[in-house]
Amino acid sequence: RKEVEQDPGPFNVPEGATVAFNCTYSNSASQSFFWYRQDCRKEPKLLMSVYSSGNEDGRFTAQLNRASQYISLLIRDSKLSDSATYLCVVRVNSGYSTLTFGKGTMLLVSP
Amino acid sequence: DGGITQSPKYLFRKEGQNVTLSCEQNLNHDAMYWYRQDPGQGLRLIYYSQIVNDFQKGDIAEGYSVSREKKESFPLTVTSAQKNPTAFYLCASSALNQPQHFGDGTRLSIL
Repeated sequence: RKEVEQDPGPFNVPEGATVAFNCTYSNSASQSFFWYRQDCRKEPKLLMSVYSSGNEDGRFTAQLNRASQYISLLIRDSKLSDSATYLCVVRVNSGYSTLTFGKGTMLLVSP
Repeated sequence: DGGITQSPKYLFRKEGQNVTLSCEQNLNHDAMYWYRQDPGQGLRLIYYSQIVNDFQKGDIAEGYSVSREKKESFPLTVTSAQKNPTAFYLCASSALNQPQHFGDGTRLSIL
C-alpha cells in the first residue's frame, strides 16, 4: 500500500464551484499534515497545515480524520487561479523528520 | 528578502560528468532537504541535513552526494553513477516542527 494516496484527477470544475479532494495515509503514527499547491513546472508552495480540529483559510477548509486516516481539502467558489496540482503531505515524527508526499491531485478550473 | 535560492535554473550534463546543484537559504533554518521529482510522480527524498556537518540518506541517495559545511548552504552533486539524472530537483529547508519551504528548483537534462 502506498504511504500517501491521492486521486490524480484531473478534476475539471467551472468557476464558482466547490470541489473537495481526499487523501489517505498508511502510517497511523503520522503526526503532522499539510496541503501544498504546485503550479505546472514550479516548486510546491505550502497552502495550509491541517489540524485535528479542522481549519479554514478563506475559501479553503482542511479536515483530518485520524480514525480513518484521511485528510480532505475543500475549495469553495473556485477561481481560475486555483488551477494547480494539490499535494497531500504527511510527517510521521515531530522535529525535523522527513515528509512523505502524495503524487498530487490536479485541479482545472474553467471559465 | 528571505528565501531559498537554487541555481542554476537549468543544467545539462554530459555522459560521465559530475554536476553540482546549489542551494542557499537565508531563513536561518537548521534543516535542509533535497528532492527529485519526475513527471507525474511525487517528490522523492534524496538527502537531508538537520545540522551543519551532518546529513542522512533519503530514499534514493544512490548516485548523489551532498555536503553541509555551512548552515546556509546544502549543495547536491549528481555523480556519473546516477544513470537516470534527468529530473526536476528541489531544495527545501525548515525550522524545528515547521513545514518545509522550497526553492524554485533546478531542471537537469542529459546532453
